Amino acid sequence: QLVLTQSPSASASLGASVKLTCTLSSGHSTYAIAWHQQQPGKGPRYLMKLNSDGSHNKGDGIPDRFSGSSSGAERYLTISSLQSEDEADYYCQTWNTGIRVFGGGTKLTVL
Amino acid sequence: EVQVVESGGDLVKPGGSLRLSCAASGFTFSHAWMSWVRQAPGKGLEWVGLIKRKTDGGTTDYAAPVKGRFTISRDDSKNTVYLQMNSMKTEDTAVYYCTTEGLAVAGDWGYFDYWGQGALVTVSS
Repeated sequence: QLVLTQSPSASASLGASVKLTCTLSSGHSTYAIAWHQQQPGKGPRYLMKLNSDGSHNKGDGIPDRFSGSSSGAERYLTISSLQSEDEADYYCQTWNTGIRVFGGGTKLTVL
Repeated sequence: EVQVVESGGDLVKPGGSLRLSCAASGFTFSHAWMSWVRQAPGKGLEWVGLIKRKTDGGTTDYAAPVKGRFTISRDDSKNTVYLQMNSMKTEDTAVYYCTTEGLAVAGDWGYFDYWGQGALVTVSS
C-alpha cells in the first residue's frame, strides 16, 4: 500500500534552516513526490516535484530558499533563511495509476 | 496567469446532493487533467478524484470514500470541471479544492501544480 509518512510538527528560528522529511512506504522507494505549502487560512500551493535521484522542478515563483533532496525512501524539503511567512503546513504527495496520496502534513513553526 | 476558481459550496442535509464548479483560465484547459482535493475542518488534505483530458480518454478515478457517490465531469467548451456529490454524509464536510495536473511540465501527470482557493461544503441536519 502506497503511504507517505510525515512528522506532525517541526520548528526552527527565524533566519535558520529546516529540513522536513517525507518517507515512502516499503516497496515504493523509487517514487517521485511533490511538496505543497499551505499557509494559514489559504489554499495549498505547489512547491516542487522531487524525483528519487534528488532532481526537482519548482513551481512558479518559488524562491531559491526552497530546495529538495532524496535518500532511499526519504524525500526532503529544505527551507533556508526562514522567514515568518514560511510558517505553514507542508504536505508531501505521490501517485500511482488511478490514485493520489497525501502525507499527513508537517506544521512548521518559525520561532 | 493560471487561475482555477471554485463555486457552489453550500450547506446540505445528509443524503442530499450538491454540485461544485471550477472555472479555469490562463491555460489550455483541454490539455490538463483536473482533480478535486478536500480538507475536513482541522484535518489534512485528501484526494477525491480526477478526470483526464479527452485525448487520454476523459476517464475518471475516485478515492474509495466517495466512489459510487461522487462524479467528476468536464466541459472543455466552458473551461469548467464539475464535482457532483450525491448521497452526502456528514463526513463529506470539507473545503473542496480544484487542482490541475500536467501544466508545470506539459504531460507530467500525477501531482497538483495549481490550486484554487476552495469552496466550503457543510453537510448537517
